[in-house]
Amino acid sequence: AQKITQTQPGMFVQEKEAVTLDCTYDTSDPSYGLFWYKQPSSGEMIFLIYQGSYDQQNATEGRYSLNFQKARKSANLVISASQLGDSAMYFCAMSGSNDYKLSFGAGTTVTVRA
Amino acid sequence: DSGVTQTPKHLITATGQRVTLRCSPRSGDLSVYWYQQSLDQGLQFLIQYYNGEERAKGNILERFSAQQFPDLHSELNLSSLELGDSALYFCASSPALYGYTFGSGTRLTVV
Repeated sequence: AQKITQTQPGMFVQEKEAVTLDCTYDTSDPSYGLFWYKQPSSGEMIFLIYQGSYDQQNATEGRYSLNFQKARKSANLVISASQLGDSAMYFCAMSGSNDYKLSFGAGTTVTVRA
Repeated sequence: DSGVTQTPKHLITATGQRVTLRCSPRSGDLSVYWYQQSLDQGLQFLIQYYNGEERAKGNILERFSAQQFPDLHSELNLSSLELGDSALYFCASSPALYGYTFGSGTRLTVV
């Protein structure tokens, strides 16, 4: 079974600053994928970034980077230069090697202040 | 527009009723997934179809059923609705492991 833990229910960040969202996971699968999604107040789920368990380098996508520490089973999302439009709920998720369904964490609400 | 189309966007219905949620995957995607997002349960995987066949099942109630048609669109049928079924229902499609695209969801309110 796979389990994702996001311990920060809500965070405030000042515009233009960086913010780190924590995510830890547990799985017995030797191969897995880690994802981050953004859910604004409108409700849609927006894919942000992906990290494969065998990827040697941390994934980056524009202002998003994933700090992957395999030994610690953590996959923290870093959002640099926060913008007001970054205010949303952020979900960490994972999938296993033999099935593509996603297991989600409880989510972290980010509020960016001007 | 993500390319995954869900209809309707909003649905209000009474307890005991039956509803059908529809999903059209992105062009070329053979896999369709259904998820439920509720306040108390969070985001949960319900069921996956691949090219018309059921591939994986999650926490889907027996009152719920789904199918994927030859044109690859999928329908999620919810019957004998209860207040606790009120949630945002997402469909997602994928051609591979990470190309997972969600639709905008159907918000179901059971009154």
